[in-house]
Amino acid sequence: GAVVSQHPSWVICKSGTSVKIECRSLDFQATTMFWYRQFPKQSLMLMATSNEGSKATYEQGVEKDKFLINHASLTLSTLTVTSAHPEDSSFYICSASGTGTSGSTDTQYFGPGTRLTVL
Amino acid sequence: GQSLEQPSEVTAVEGAIVQINCTYQTSGFYGLSWYQQHDGGAPTFLSYNALDGLEETGRFSSFLSRSDSYGYLLLQELQMKDSASYFCAVPSGAGKSTFGDGTTLTVKP
Repeated sequence: GAVVSQHPSWVICKSGTSVKIECRSLDFQATTMFWYRQFPKQSLMLMATSNEGSKATYEQGVEKDKFLINHASLTLSTLTVTSAHPEDSSFYICSASGTGTSGSTDTQYFGPGTRLTVL
Repeated sequence: GQSLEQPSEVTAVEGAIVQINCTYQTSGFYGLSWYQQHDGGAPTFLSYNALDGLEETGRFSSFLSRSDSYGYLLLQELQMKDSASYFCAVPSGAGKSTFGDGTTLTVKP
């Protein structure tokens, strides 16, 4: 149980375009979803927290107009990187927590990640 | 705020036992989690300790001492596939977690 999928697993795009990444909880209800980015050999950096049906809460320094997050249902959240630039190239990982898992309601289950390369 | 400290690197040989320590400072404590991340992959949940003591799951065990603000992940009968980064994490409110910087474990033949 507690499977989170993420799509696409990798994407290459041109500078200035927008990219949408989907995160789905497959077998539990994700009341909260999180979006992280991770640079090589570094820890996870939380970008934003989203609760189903409400606006996302962004961490300090993360541009909410650039990284659009939508959490429309208990199983789906999307991250759209708008007007992507090469410095946005990174590994983007979502995670979800909620009910119906073997861990606590705070335990986060991670998606497999999306590697974004902006040319 | 929350902060966690763990060693940056650990090296061990196949078949050995290794312990990865994590000390934490939190404004409120609910539990300590451990995650494994292989190079190029996403973190996977390993264990969660809310109470003091040792939790065993196969070759991996996790220990917590709330009075010492300390925990560790114990890996036994090391295998090459255990080479990965290991993160400890504590809940930081509103469902969020704060992660340590990770410990890179290298298992050598």
